[in-house]
Amino acid sequence: DVKVTQSSRYLVKRTGEKVFLECVQDMDHENMFWYRQDPGLGLRLIYFSYDVKMKEKGDIPEGYSVSREKKERFSLILESASTNQTSMYLCASSFGDLGNTGELFFGEGSRLTVL
Amino acid sequence: GNSVTQMEGPVTLSEEAFLTINCTYTATGYPSLFWYVQYPGEGLQLLLKATKADDKGSNKGFEATYRKETTSFHLEKGSVQVSDSAVYFCALSERGSYIPTFGRGTSLIVHP
Repeated sequence: DVKVTQSSRYLVKRTGEKVFLECVQDMDHENMFWYRQDPGLGLRLIYFSYDVKMKEKGDIPEGYSVSREKKERFSLILESASTNQTSMYLCASSFGDLGNTGELFFGEGSRLTVL
Repeated sequence: GNSVTQMEGPVTLSEEAFLTINCTYTATGYPSLFWYVQYPGEGLQLLLKATKADDKGSNKGFEATYRKETTSFHLEKGSVQVSDSAVYFCALSERGSYIPTFGRGTSLIVHP
């Protein structure tokens, strides 16, 4: 069964802390994504990676960075967490051109609360 | 740019009712269209897709037809169950694109 695994389902951090959210996929997908999901706002793309060490900013990259040192792993980093980063974070992966091959595969999400 | 518009929720239905969730899109080319479902406490998963005009995607009793003339991809189910309660996202991807465009999601609540 194909799988995208996010390391933590629930995290509680304090303002100013550095936060790492880890995501691993076992499908040998080139593309990996980090989204943020908030009520009424849907999914917003934070960062996208199409290859190892390659990344592109999404719609809301401010306050975030990412790391992709290995193909299967894509990390989201909050350098200094703030309360407005309290949210659900979703990792996803895909193979190739979505217009032709289709779907994203999502992890179960990491719910981050920043106090 | 591309965009996807879904009807706002929540949509509240009784079990065995007919479901329609509207989705319209704007795209520069000829996109593929998708419906994803997010059950409570889980990530999104693909429900169905259609890759060209007049295609019908179907899965688990849900259907959606790619209507190029009305730029729509409405989701339908003839008889909903309590277990269908979830958030449904419409999405599109253009040929050659790696990043999909999502709608904001529509919450469906089905009562026994």
